[in-house]
Amino acid sequence: QKEVEQDPGPLSVPEGAIVSLNCTYSNSAFQYFMWYRQYSRKGPELLMYTYSSGNKEDGRFTAQVDKSSKYISLFIRDSQPSDSATYLCAALIQGAQKLVFGQGTRLTINP
Amino acid sequence: EAGVAQSPRYKIIEKRQSVAFWCNPISGHATLYWYQQILGQGPKLLIQFQNNGVVDDSQLPKDRFSAERLKGVDSTLKIQPAKLEDSAVYLCASTQRNGDSPLHFGNGTRLTVT
Repeated sequence: QKEVEQDPGPLSVPEGAIVSLNCTYSNSAFQYFMWYRQYSRKGPELLMYTYSSGNKEDGRFTAQVDKSSKYISLFIRDSQPSDSATYLCAALIQGAQKLVFGQGTRLTINP
Repeated sequence: EAGVAQSPRYKIIEKRQSVAFWCNPISGHATLYWYQQILGQGPKLLIQFQNNGVVDDSQLPKDRFSAERLKGVDSTLKIQPAKLEDSAVYLCASTQRNGDSPLHFGNGTRLTVT
């Protein structure tokens, strides 16, 4: 079993829709959770960074962590064609050495 | 702030040849990572440096891959000899300190082994 599981999609939605991206993880020691966005032929770019359970909002993006169910979510409101990219969830153990990534979900927002 | 710089951007080689990638992290970032990203997959950690010392290289195929970080700044990753399954994007990332700081990535080197 992979430590961080993510549905690879692809996911295609119309412009303006609310997008929900999800991951599950297996290691209870994970305490930091991140979402990265990766455009084609570019490196991953940090979008959201949360510690432990709860919600964090930044503009149209909301990251949610539920440690009881080991579930990580990213919501995108009023989605735009420029949001089309691959979204990677990642998890980190506090003070530990490596960031573990999910497989990535390829998202397309159709005008 | 300048980002993580990597070169070359693209490289095509034949199997059994050797190749080297270069990374210059963000200034002041003590921790440097090399990740391998195969098409359609998430990045997988190959090696992590703290300054010029190796912290984690448990997933580095040491029979063919090697990496160094001289003087705790720039780093090179080498593959010798390359196999077809090494075709991937090699991403370098850096962070200010260990553990709980977000990683900043370069745009990677896309390697094709034919």
